Amino acid sequence: DGGITQSPKYLFRKEGQNVTLSCEQNLNHDAMYWYRQDPGQGLRLIYYSQIVNDFQKGDIAEGYSVSREKKESFPLTVTSAQKNPTAFYLCARKDRGLTDTQYFGPGTRLTVL
Amino acid sequence: GDSVTQMEGPVTLSEEAFLTINCTYTATGYPSLFWYVQYPGEGLQLLLKATKADDKGSNKGFEATYRKETTSFHLEKGSVQVSDSAVYFCALISRMDSSYKLIFGSGTRLLVRP
Repeated sequence: DGGITQSPKYLFRKEGQNVTLSCEQNLNHDAMYWYRQDPGQGLRLIYYSQIVNDFQKGDIAEGYSVSREKKESFPLTVTSAQKNPTAFYLCARKDRGLTDTQYFGPGTRLTVL
Repeated sequence: GDSVTQMEGPVTLSEEAFLTINCTYTATGYPSLFWYVQYPGEGLQLLLKATKADDKGSNKGFEATYRKETTSFHLEKGSVQVSDSAVYFCALISRMDSSYKLIFGSGTRLLVRP
């Protein structure tokens, strides 16, 4: 794997409920990212964090929230304000080298009923 | 802003055929370029990368060369296998701000038939 785990793999929620997706990394890397993938499209950045206790909005942050209380964990909450939450969510970590390479977790498929 | 354009799929090939998936980019400066592969129901796996002009990334028989003059990073493989069937994404690192976010193309689905 890419040194990053996501859980659960599949998640079902009723409309109007908040839901939190887990993302954990064990390589002591600072920068972590959340992306959203819709069918037939590339990935879009939701939030990112470069250090503990700091995070920044990406291109599609509305209706989402994050926290970064520990270096190894970067959970994403999909709130009821997100109008179209059904999607595949991918978490990534960035290495510390010059190439800025990002490595992805296995993803969580969220379905809102 | 920075962007990536890749050929639309699906691309359907017979086993042992030659593969090319075109990718061009628009970016400020000299971004690092990547190819990722996604198998059904899984996350993205890094396939190969190149960090500067004329660099060639290679892995598992796949190759791509960073061409600054044509702003391209086409993916090639000399002989595809059924197991190569997947969606391939071309991407660049955007350094327009401090985020180092990946900018993705829309993906190209490859189907290899026995």
